Amino acid sequence: DGGITQSPKYLFRKEGQNVTLSCEQNLNHDAMYWYRQDPGQGLRLIYYSQIVNDFQKGDIAEGYSVSREKKESFPLTVTSAQKNPTAFYLCASSIDLVSVAFFGQGTRLTVV
Amino acid sequence: DQQVKQNSPSLSVQEGRISILNCDYTNSMFDYFLWYKKYPAEGPTFLISISSIKDKNEDGRFTVFLNKSAKHLSLHIVPSQPGDSAVYFCAATSNSNSGYALNFGKGTSLLVTP
Repeated sequence: DGGITQSPKYLFRKEGQNVTLSCEQNLNHDAMYWYRQDPGQGLRLIYYSQIVNDFQKGDIAEGYSVSREKKESFPLTVTSAQKNPTAFYLCASSIDLVSVAFFGQGTRLTVV
Repeated sequence: DQQVKQNSPSLSVQEGRISILNCDYTNSMFDYFLWYKKYPAEGPTFLISISSIKDKNEDGRFTVFLNKSAKHLSLHIVPSQPGDSAVYFCAATSNSNSGYALNFGKGTSLLVTP
């Protein structure tokens, strides 16, 4: 089955710890994205990547880091510098930046 | 600064009636617009899109209208069904200017009542 897989669905971490969220796609898409959803805030762009070994900051990149070593993988690390890490994180991919993006099922991160 | 705005956080419509969801944008470089539907704790799913070379696109019960001069688009759902109850996100990007990622509005929560 082709699609985007985010794991895990729920993640708990202690404050001050870095945590990495996984995103894998087997759609052969060049572009991948990370969004964050908070109540009343919609979807805000954290990072995106147009192609392997390249990525760009989105609107709220501070406290996050990404890598794009393989076409199918775009992991997001939430660092201890992120002040409000508790949120619903969504990964997406598309053929390119101007094509329809398909989303994973999301990861709910709770930092305690 | 929000470049895609959905000013109505919620909308309630009776089953069978028309639902109209609105979206405004500020960036004149945007020329490709999409609507996504989202249920709680799930990823958004693509619904319908429109390019700026058109002013209307229809797909079954869903129609999107684009008014470029007003920088405004709307999604019409006719007839509305209870299963349409979800949060609808408007998104925009630029086909003519590389480097733009999809930019989303804050969403409108639609409730269709029986």
